[in-house]
Amino acid sequence: GNSVTQMEGPVTLSEEAFLTINCTYTATGYPSLFWYVQYPGEGLQLLLKATKADDKGSNKGFEATYRKETTSFHLEKGSVQVSDSAVYFCALSENNAGNMLTFGGGTRLMVKP
Amino acid sequence: ETGVTQTPRHLVMGMTNKKSLKCEQHLGHNAMYWYKQSAKKPLELMFVYSLEERVENNSVPSRFSPECPNSSHLFLHLHTLQPEDSALYLCASSQGETSGGAQYFGPGTRLTVL
Repeated sequence: GNSVTQMEGPVTLSEEAFLTINCTYTATGYPSLFWYVQYPGEGLQLLLKATKADDKGSNKGFEATYRKETTSFHLEKGSVQVSDSAVYFCALSENNAGNMLTFGGGTRLMVKP
Repeated sequence: ETGVTQTPRHLVMGMTNKKSLKCEQHLGHNAMYWYKQSAKKPLELMFVYSLEERVENNSVPSRFSPECPNSSHLFLHLHTLQPEDSALYLCASSQGETSGGAQYFGPGTRLTVL
């Protein structure tokens, strides 16, 4: 079956630090990959996505590259802000699974001024 | 982003009460989902509706009863819940292939069962 593994948090950084949140996956086919973000008291928001190998998804300064050879989709940002404090979820979807999403456990990011 | 709305945002109920959660999507999608998010647990998929028919039910107890009257609305009817059912209930929608598998979430209903 499909699975997504994320680094456990919390990740605590100072403002303007470089962020990496690791995500690896296992899938039987050719999944689409996603990063979702959940701010306190809110639902999940789609942050970025990539639908095939070597694609790079990007949004709001965040980037992630679909690496088929390492089955990874690590999230990066060059300079984090306090407002980036949230929980980040990596997820995959396979078309042959009816677009069901498989989520990782989530990684809490705390950015201090 | 107000593409998916959920009401109420907060709900407190006793174990003998009956209540319903409502979800509405304004994105023209054809699939809708209910998830349960508990503290320190992975996100749990509860129900999936595609074209208003239930296609997935992940062994959810019968005290949770979904209803999808049309492609824009999804309900979760609750009765005789247990305290361990306290959680954030999230609704999502998607448009299948054309969205590349992406789902769009509502803000959730924070449920507390006393």
